[in-house]
Amino acid sequence: LAKTTQPISMDSYEGQEVNITCSHNNIATNDYITWYQQFPSQGPRFIIQGYKTKVTNEVASLFIPADRKSSTLSLPRVSLSDTAVYYCLVLTGGGNKLTFGTGTQLKVEL
Amino acid sequence: DAGVTQSPTHLIKTRGQQVTLRCSPISGHKSVSWYQQVLGQGPQFIFQYYEKEERGRGNFPDRFSARQFPNYSSELNVNALLLGDSALYLCASSPSVDSPLHFGNGTRLTVT
Repeated sequence: LAKTTQPISMDSYEGQEVNITCSHNNIATNDYITWYQQFPSQGPRFIIQGYKTKVTNEVASLFIPADRKSSTLSLPRVSLSDTAVYYCLVLTGGGNKLTFGTGTQLKVEL
Repeated sequence: DAGVTQSPTHLIKTRGQQVTLRCSPISGHKSVSWYQQVLGQGPQFIFQYYEKEERGRGNFPDRFSARQFPNYSSELNVNALLLGDSALYLCASSPSVDSPLHFGNGTRLTVT
């Protein structure tokens, strides 16, 4: 299993763009990168998944460089409601047996 | 559409007792997974079921067991409860074993 490393916490202000970078140095050829968001006392919520280059959806973008040893989740114009824990995960073959780390606690302030 | 529903939402048990947690997946989802989340940590994988068969098991003792029913709902059973079993137990469903997971809001189990 590819191990991921991400910052423990980040602070931001409303309206700013937030970029959370995750390292996964031993990612394998058939591994995918996925991100989940979790609010207190709720289950994680799927944000985005990608294999290479850039993926964008209505809430976030995921940037993956050519070597795929890292990835960056980009949240445009965050609001207070984006305060949550964000998990970076690597999935073998796109399967969904998830191995969570401790995630990044994002705090958004006014 | 209803999301993943779990019952009960909260539960208090005594050491040594047994507990059954229930999960109803999103309609049309055939895969159900169970996760344990201890306070301050990320969720840890316990089981995955697909089409009523076990497709994966995490590093949990045999006191933990699960099953999936013909309607794709699932139960997680924990026997001989320990204080360390106190956690948020999350159920997640997906259409298949390689689709993103949809989590419920969990059952908060407290063992005293």
